[in-house]
Amino acid sequence: KQEVTQIPAALSVPEGENLVLNCSFTDSAIYNLQWFRQDPGKGLTSLLLIQSSQREQTSGRLNASLDKSSGRSTLYIAASQPGDSATYLCAVASNDMRFGAGTRLTVKP
Amino acid sequence: DVKVTQSSRYLVKRTGEKVFLECVQDMDHENMFWYRQDPGLGLRLIYFSYDVKMKEKGDIPEGYSVSREKKERFSLILESASTNQTSMYLCASSNSYGYTFGSGTRLTVV
Repeated sequence: KQEVTQIPAALSVPEGENLVLNCSFTDSAIYNLQWFRQDPGKGLTSLLLIQSSQREQTSGRLNASLDKSSGRSTLYIAASQPGDSATYLCAVASNDMRFGAGTRLTVKP
Repeated sequence: DVKVTQSSRYLVKRTGEKVFLECVQDMDHENMFWYRQDPGLGLRLIYFSYDVKMKEKGDIPEGYSVSREKKERFSLILESASTNQTSMYLCASSNSYGYTFGSGTRLTVV
């Protein structure tokens, strides 16, 4: 059974910093990996999807990488802003979809 | 803009009531899912469906059932609501380009 781990569980940074969120998974036989953002009391908003054949995806200030062989993905956020404060979840699709517990990010003005 | 729509944002129901949570997607996705999300437990899969009239149990199906009579609609049914089913319920649909989630239903059972 696929297990997904996100480290750190919480992160607080000052505005303007670049930061990296980590996601690891136990089974490298995946179809894709998806990063989501969740604001308190809301649903999940998709940020980036990386297919298993890809190494990275970029959208604006966000860059996600995938290393299947080591079972790792990172989400890089450049020049963080207070509006980036949210919980970030990674999800790995193999036989089903497994979610990490999330990293709660706070960006302080 | 493609969407997954959950019929209610907030619901309050009494113990023992039969509860219906509705989810509709307009993306022609084959796959649909119901999750619940609880603090400290993350997202847990209740049921999913890969086609009309098909359903598969997820990790925590007890106390729930589902219905998928049309491709675009996937309903979650709490046969007899209990207080331990108080939670955030999230519906999603997917294709090879990933998952799209609804905005969630916060259900409180009193």
